[in-house]
Amino acid sequence: GENVGLHLPTLSVQEGDNSIINCAYSNSASDYFIWYKQESGKGPQFIIDIRSNMDKRQGQRVTVLLNKTVKHLSLQIAATQPGDSAVYFCAENTADSWGKLQFGAGTQVVVTP
Amino acid sequence: DVKVTQSSRYLVKRTGEKVFLECVQDMDHENMFWYRQDPGLGLRLIYFSYDVKMKEKGDIPEGYSVSREKKERFSLILESASTNQTSMYLCASRPDGQGNQPQHFGDGTRLSIL
Repeated sequence: GENVGLHLPTLSVQEGDNSIINCAYSNSASDYFIWYKQESGKGPQFIIDIRSNMDKRQGQRVTVLLNKTVKHLSLQIAATQPGDSAVYFCAENTADSWGKLQFGAGTQVVVTP
Repeated sequence: DVKVTQSSRYLVKRTGEKVFLECVQDMDHENMFWYRQDPGLGLRLIYFSYDVKMKEKGDIPEGYSVSREKKERFSLILESASTNQTSMYLCASRPDGQGNQPQHFGDGTRLSIL
């Protein structure tokens, strides 16, 4: 939504630099994790996912890292572009939750020229 | 590509009205979800449905009901709208029975209750 970025931590990144967005999760039983991107006025858009039997997964310009020991998830965006400006959410899913997701609060990423 | 369509982008209703929010997906997904999104509170699950005519309460079902008469359509109903239901409402869907799959979202309905 238009004002979803209010009250969120903000990451300012210069165009061309790499971005790292962090997320801590709480449920050690979570076995599937997703990153979403939400642009102003739009719904969350799926970026990349990772299962708990993996530590790293790469997509196009994005990499997700999972550290189960400290329950930490990160999203790395290579060569950040103005179109990457958005709110980024992590989400976790436990195996017995009917596909229900628990969402993080989100991080506002602002790309400056 | 998965397409989740919410019938209205913006909606203004009055207190006490019965409000219907419609969501349609074109990918034959079994599971569908309704969320509301508020600044500082993130996405909160209202109701979900794991198949036709099935429904389950989410974290904040009070004041809402849902209907899933057809697989592709999931409706959220505000029985008697109140001002604290002013929010962005998001619908999502995902397939079932194929291991872990992401939810796919519509672009939301911004509902204002006056």
